[in-house]
Amino acid sequence: SQQGEEDPQALSIQEGENATMNCSYKTSINNLQWYRQNSGRGLVHLILIRSNEREKHSGRLRVTLDTSKKSSSLLITASRAADTASYFCATRAGGTSYGKLTFGQGTILTVHP
Amino acid sequence: GAVVSQHPSWVICKSGTSVKIECRSLDFQATTMFWYRQFPKQSLMLMATSNEGSKATYEQGVEKDKFLINHASLTLSTLTVTSAHPEDSSFYICSASGLGINTEAFFGQGTRLTVV
Repeated sequence: SQQGEEDPQALSIQEGENATMNCSYKTSINNLQWYRQNSGRGLVHLILIRSNEREKHSGRLRVTLDTSKKSSSLLITASRAADTASYFCATRAGGTSYGKLTFGQGTILTVHP
Repeated sequence: GAVVSQHPSWVICKSGTSVKIECRSLDFQATTMFWYRQFPKQSLMLMATSNEGSKATYEQGVEKDKFLINHASLTLSTLTVTSAHPEDSSFYICSASGLGINTEAFFGQGTRLTVV
């Protein structure tokens, strides 16, 4: 079952603007991951944040995690048209091994040139 | 990162026929792989966990006799959609993870199945 909820479901911005996507989950987790999916393609891993971490950066990406609120956010700064894609958060529960992930509903990001 | 290759990328088949989708880990051994299904503009729904050398574990509501999973080697898992019907048309994606709980998952390119 899908435990993650993401908002907004769709986000449309202009190139150069920042894009913020939020994700909430229900159960305790070991880590939370963000993935990107271009239309009709597989998923590409963006960033992983562990349950004991609060913030993580990777290039133009910034991820925060608030385990008390069971929520995470993904910020893409200085967006580009090439960032247009669907973005999903995924959680791995504590004690679960071997990669079983539970995905959020996703945010469709459109960046206009 | 590691590479997971999924084949075919798309397939069109007639109702009642079976379709096999392959998922290979190219540069690492995957004792466990996962199969997801995705409908248009929706999220990924886990169908089953494929375990090398043993039976797959299916999620609730997934018909194991319809979606046959075989994981005969450490680098190959297959999903066979048996007696396919139009409602089985969907995007199917496999994934594998590295060892350790704090590792990312690597996804295949996905297979677009259309049953006519």
